[in-house]
Amino acid sequence: EVQVVESGGGLVQPGGSLRLSCAASGFIFSSYAMSWVRQAPGKGLEWVSFISGSGGTTNYADSVKVRFTISRDNSKNTLYLQMNSLRAEDTAVYYCAKDGCETSSCYWNSWGQGTLVTVSS
Amino acid sequence: DIQMTQSPSSVSASVGDRVVITCRASQVISTWVAWYQQKPGKAPKVLIYGASNLLSGVPSRFSGSGSGTDYTLTISNLQPEDFATYYCQQANSFPLTFGPGTKVDF
Repeated sequence: EVQVVESGGGLVQPGGSLRLSCAASGFIFSSYAMSWVRQAPGKGLEWVSFISGSGGTTNYADSVKVRFTISRDNSKNTLYLQMNSLRAEDTAVYYCAKDGCETSSCYWNSWGQGTLVTVSS
Repeated sequence: DIQMTQSPSSVSASVGDRVVITCRASQVISTWVAWYQQKPGKAPKVLIYGASNLLSGVPSRFSGSGSGTDYTLTISNLQPEDFATYYCQQANSFPLTFGPGTKVDF
């Protein structure tokens, strides 16, 4: 069974940092691209970042570019999102999503349960 | 960036109804469109990819169509479990973008 499980969310002060992790199982992790998608409370979905199966290609939403870094460790079947210089507007549930493709994004066919990040003083 | 708009933003429907949700992209996206269903407190679930391809296990009352800039999700014979929010999403180019969502309720 394909499964992705996020962890690492929590309360952080503005300007602080947090690293999210996503543990994957049930599929050949290195064969699929992955993304982070977030959802602010009561709002719609927003794509945050993409990484190809090999890790060689990454992309970011303009709203997080420079501040966030996506990475993956294919030996550990784990996806990461390093978030720096956090702002109140980064408050959201962050979902890890498995792509249906390897080198580009086509659609997300498995999602985690989400981890809540709250940026507040 | 490709902007995605959806209409309507909400629709009141009854069991057995046919619901049509439209999505318009700000530029041609060559059928790289997916549709997601999200229920409160849950992660989204993909229903359709490539504009018209139904994911395995998704009921056949869901269908997708469209090309160019205009895409449609149709739910035929609405069932109680279909009351949710639906999002379109383009995978034509980065940044990947979602529509604002359509809430289907009673």
